[in-house]
Amino acid sequence: DARVTQTPRHKVTEMGQEVTMRCQPILGHNTVFWYRQTMMQGLELLAYFRNRAPLDDSGMPKDRFSAEMPDATLATLKIQPSEPRDSAVYFCASGLRGLGSTDTQYFGPGTRLTVL
Amino acid sequence: EDKVVQSPLSLVVHEGDTVTLNCSYEVTNFRSLLWYKQEKKAPTFLFMLTSSGIEKKSGRLSSILDKKELFSILNITATQTGDSAVYLCAVEAESRGSTLGRLYFGRGTQLTVWP
Repeated sequence: DARVTQTPRHKVTEMGQEVTMRCQPILGHNTVFWYRQTMMQGLELLAYFRNRAPLDDSGMPKDRFSAEMPDATLATLKIQPSEPRDSAVYFCASGLRGLGSTDTQYFGPGTRLTVL
Repeated sequence: EDKVVQSPLSLVVHEGDTVTLNCSYEVTNFRSLLWYKQEKKAPTFLFMLTSSGIEKKSGRLSSILDKKELFSILNITATQTGDSAVYLCAVEAESRGSTLGRLYFGRGTQLTVWP
């Protein structure tokens, strides 16, 4: 049963610390998405990659956030330095092709981040 | 400013009822509209709609898009307690200065189905 995996599932850290979240997309999927969900803002798309290349990261605060795909089996989202307003659930999703041409995105279980 | 508005915000029904969830949008250069179901975990994909008037159906769920009036509805017939979830609508629009799309989410409709 193929699924997207994310680690860690929960992270509590102090303001100013670096946070790294990892995602393993479903094998064979060539598109990876990072989302953030909060009660205030709802679900937001932060960035997405196709064939490991960043396609759109205009939803991501550039000064502290960075997203990479070092290889086809790993996507990372880093926050440095973290701030309390970054507290949210961060979802990774993978799919085939991309927005507008894929009809399925598979979501990971999410990383619940709390920044104190 | 681009936006996606869902209504109602919450809905409580009894098993067997039929519900209609609404999603209206205002975006520049619309590409597609997507529906997701989110229970106490990650969203799961339901439908992607790109053309007006063509109904997409999956079991008791169906959805249709009206690109002239800028809205979509999601229908659930013969509801079951397992349908209780937040239903999210998202609209893909062209991104300024890019050929790639941006995805805008509504706040969701919380559906509760009582036995």
